[in-house]
Amino acid sequence: EPEVTQTPSHQVTQMGQEVILRCVPISNHLYFYWYRQILGQKVEFLVSFYNNEISEKSEIFDDQFSVERPDGSNFTLKIRSTKLEDSAMYFCASSSSSISTYEQYFGPGTRLTVT
Amino acid sequence: GQSLEQPSEVTAVEGAIVQINCTYQTSGFYGLSWYQQHDGGAPTFLSYNALDGLEETGRFSSFLSRSDSYGYLLLQELQMKDSASYFCAVREDTGRRALTFGSGTRLQVQP
Repeated sequence: EPEVTQTPSHQVTQMGQEVILRCVPISNHLYFYWYRQILGQKVEFLVSFYNNEISEKSEIFDDQFSVERPDGSNFTLKIRSTKLEDSAMYFCASSSSSISTYEQYFGPGTRLTVT
Repeated sequence: GQSLEQPSEVTAVEGAIVQINCTYQTSGFYGLSWYQQHDGGAPTFLSYNALDGLEETGRFSSFLSRSDSYGYLLLQELQMKDSASYFCAVREDTGRRALTFGSGTRLQVQP
């Protein structure tokens, strides 16, 4: 069964450093998302991406964040200058069509620890 | 503002039936989804309601009442592996694809 993959599974970085989180969405999916989940809390939307551009973003997704689809398979989230409060589990998700975006397929997540 | 309210914890025994409620207050409403998340795992899609009524998928069913801004997830014949967190999530309108998640209900299934 096709699945969303993410690398790395765990990233430790120092405050102020740049990190890039990588995702490979399901191959025939068209819509891509990043969410984050601070330990013990709810999943929070960051950004959605379609047709090589951001289609919507949340208040969390400020100028420190960026997304890119550098090739036909990868989807990345970059945090330019990490802060302690960026420590969270980051999930990539994808969905196949505009109609079925209620059914999003999540990757296993990258746990980001900022020290 | 936006809010999705769920009970924080529910405990039930194996074989029993449990209902997890979700009330929502969002700027728009297009549909209600349910996701399951095991500890350390990713959210997994369970069910979706866009219209009022009951949707059944095996042991899991989901209900929606748009007029009451209320839905629930019903889990039947509980198994130990059903111990997980369950999140309701709203898609607010057709122009948006983001899901707004509730805070989650931690279900503990006991033998």
